Amino acid sequence: EAQVTQNPRYLITVTGKKLTVTCSQNMNHEYMSWYRQDPGLGLRQIYYSMNVEVTDKGDVPEGYKVSRKEKRNFPLILESPSPNQTSLYFCASREFAGVTSPLHFGNGTRLTVT
Amino acid sequence: AQKITQTQPGMFVQEKEAVTLDCTYDTSDQSYGLFWYKQPSSGEMIFLIYQGSYDEQNATEGRYSLNFQKARKSANLVISASQLGDSAMYFCAMSAGGTSYGKLTFGQGTILTVHP
Repeated sequence: EAQVTQNPRYLITVTGKKLTVTCSQNMNHEYMSWYRQDPGLGLRQIYYSMNVEVTDKGDVPEGYKVSRKEKRNFPLILESPSPNQTSLYFCASREFAGVTSPLHFGNGTRLTVT
Repeated sequence: AQKITQTQPGMFVQEKEAVTLDCTYDTSDQSYGLFWYKQPSSGEMIFLIYQGSYDEQNATEGRYSLNFQKARKSANLVISASQLGDSAMYFCAMSAGGTSYGKLTFGQGTILTVHP
């Protein structure tokens, strides 16, 4: 089944403890992206990747890191999480970056930082 | 820069009736794509329908259709024969070129509640 898989689904952590949210897609998509969703602020792009070894900042990149060493994987790293990073996170992929290609989302990771 | 506006925070519809969710957009690009997503209470984001800026026909996918009015810059989602399972948050989104190439910009969403 074609899908985007992100783990974990739920994560509770403490301020400053490094964490990684994994993301993998099996559709051979070139483009991958991370979004966070917050009440009243909607979905905001954190980072994106056009292809392997090509990553760039989105609208809210502060406090996050990403890497794209393989086409299928695009992990999100929080080196020192803070409470303002409590949010619902989505990994997503597109076949390519053009305007006709829809984003396919993972099921989301609900992160709580205390 | 692209902008998506959804002016209806919440909408109510009776089961089996049709409902229209509004979406207006703003972009200076000539080539762009418009998308609608559904987010049920379980949280996942489900792609529903796509409309390209050069498409002359309105897109349809089952009970979903997109009322695309290019001159008005609107891309309203029409759900026919509403079902209880349609209760969810609905997002309109746009992908365009320029400095935002590849990025999907989302509206604030509309919560749809279907009454039995």
